[in-house]
Amino acid sequence: SAVISQKPSRDICQRGTSLTIQCQVDSQVTMMFWYRQQPGQSLTLIATANQGSEATYESGFVIDKFPISRPNLTFSTLTVSNMSPEDSSIYLCSVEQSRDTQYFGPGTRLTVL
Amino acid sequence: GENVEQHPSTLSVQEGDSAVIKCTYSDSASNYFPWYKQELGKRPQLIIDIRSNVGEKKDQRIAVTLNKTAKHFSLHITETQPEDSAVYFCAAKSNTGKLIFGQGTTLQVKP
Repeated sequence: SAVISQKPSRDICQRGTSLTIQCQVDSQVTMMFWYRQQPGQSLTLIATANQGSEATYESGFVIDKFPISRPNLTFSTLTVSNMSPEDSSIYLCSVEQSRDTQYFGPGTRLTVL
Repeated sequence: GENVEQHPSTLSVQEGDSAVIKCTYSDSASNYFPWYKQELGKRPQLIIDIRSNVGEKKDQRIAVTLNKTAKHFSLHITETQPEDSAVYFCAAKSNTGKLIFGQGTTLQVKP
């Protein structure tokens, strides 16, 4: 499977600020996704990061709050904008490889004070 | 809408016993069903998956069964060990291409 890295692994931020999370894959992949996992909860898809076009957002998530970039087939960023304590969560990127299978990055643990 | 229900939410078994986790999906067009294991503080890891043209798949102590008619699929772990303790998530791939996850099952294997 692909080797996926995320930066930062964790951060503590002040409300009202923004944080950009990076996801890097060691091979080219067509599909990349961003998920949120709140404490003790399941995984919720935020958006699909499309290379060369705007991301596709799920219901409840908007581009102004979670802008996403996908400049090439190995890299994507997710920005959490104008943060509030409710944004405290783990953010995970994932990639789809070899027909349907998705692999996850290690996650970014965000705490907003 | 698309939905995956997972039961039970918690499961405690004695080491060596079997554990079964069940999921039900709503989208009849779903054709791919992965299972992930997430240990505390770690990323979800794919442990087994099944496609809709197969009824059962086994990998050592882990097996998954699929009943397309009933829209049910299950994870079976035999001879459980303490290192099997984790949160397990089922998922179904919808016809829109995204994975819909169940709510998760916390499995505790007591030594």
